[in-house]
This record gives sequence, structure tokens and C-alpha cells, in this order.
Amino acid sequence: KAGVTQTPRYLIKTRGQQVTLSCSPISGHRSVSWYQQTPGQGLQFLFEYFSETQRNKGNFPGRFSGRQFSNSRSEMNVSTLELGDSALYLCASSTGQYSGANVLTFGAGSRLTVL
Amino acid sequence: DQQVKQNSPSLSVQEGRISILNCDYTNSMFDYFLWYKKYPAEGPTFLISISSIKDKNEDGRFTVFLNKSAKHLSLHIVPSQPGDSAVYFCAASGVETSGSRLTFGEGTQLTVNP
Repeated sequence: KAGVTQTPRYLIKTRGQQVTLSCSPISGHRSVSWYQQTPGQGLQFLFEYFSETQRNKGNFPGRFSGRQFSNSRSEMNVSTLELGDSALYLCASSTGQYSGANVLTFGAGSRLTVL
Repeated sequence: DQQVKQNSPSLSVQEGRISILNCDYTNSMFDYFLWYKKYPAEGPTFLISISSIKDKNEDGRFTVFLNKSAKHLSLHIVPSQPGDSAVYFCAASGVETSGSRLTFGEGTQLTVNP
């Protein structure tokens, strides 16, 4: 079956602009979560959507937002971009069970560079 | 506050030998631990996991050990192969959060030399 698809794979923006990233989860998966990876850091949890509702949110400013559509596809948006937002943004899908063995399947990521 | 730490940014081993990757955590509410592997230009892929009620889980060449009292887990790869060269992330989830909210370590770059 098709994996998790993220678009675009690479993009360059300038400070102050906004960006929208897209994620198509594995068919049948209702949970989509987003992570940010910066050099030297592990993956930092941004938020999780389950059945079109935000179920969890990490410690990121309000400039970072997301949404999920009825077909489970998700988008995340970053407004008023800052240089520090340059990172690899990873989307992961799962069945969304609430604890334990909830294995995430990640996409290849969207590499954002802010100049 | 880094709740999951991988203190070794890199590890180099010879092909055929054992690779041991370590991970420490501070949050006693974590009840499930996972290892992911990441190749360049790809997303992380799930490798192996362990529940806090166990102290060992094995899958082929990969074994994860959990020491709850020390809040420490390790991943053993035996024998190591050049194709195992990747960044390895340790991750944890807690009883009070969705299993999709994982707390990751910073990663360890494993290089297996032929």
C-alpha cells in the first residue's frame, strides 16, 4: 500500500512569509501527527490530528497551526516565518490508538529553508 | 528539559561486531519505548519497541533492553552490517498522552565499516 506522502519535498521562503505543507496518510489511518527536526535536535512534536480534531499539541508558538480534512489528509501552516523555522518537517500517520504500540509511519519530510 | 537523551552523537563499529546504542529517560510516566532508524533524505522507520512491563524484546538481529530502575534502554544489533549505517532515534510515549505523541532523543549516527 502507498506510504505517507508529503509535499513539497523542498522549499525556500523568506522571513515574514508563510508556508503550507501537505501530508497524505496511509489509507485507513485516522491519526496524523507532525514533527520538526532541526540539526542536533531530535524530533520535536508539533501536534496530532485525529478524525479532523486536534488531539494533542506540543510546545510551539501559535504561528504553527494545522488542520485535518475528512479524508484524513492534513496540512500544517507556519505564518510569519523566522530563520529558526528552517527545519525538516515530518508527518506521521497511524491508527491513532491512544496508548502503547502505536507505531508511526513517517513520510520523507518537507525541507524548509528560511532566508 | 530533555526527557529522552542519547548521549552519544555517533558510534562506529566494524562489520560483524555488536553495535550498542544507549538511551536514558527521566519521565517515569513513560510506558512504551521505541527505536526508529533514519537514512538521509528519508523519514524515520520503525525498528523495534518494548513495553515497560518487559525488560527485553528481540527481533532478528535487533534486541532492545529496558532497565526501568535506571531509566535506561539500549539497542543491540548483532551482527552489525554496513546497511545498518543510519541515525538511530530512541523514543518514548506515556500513559497520559496519545501514542502518537512521542518524545524523541537527539539521535545517534551509527557507522558500520566493512
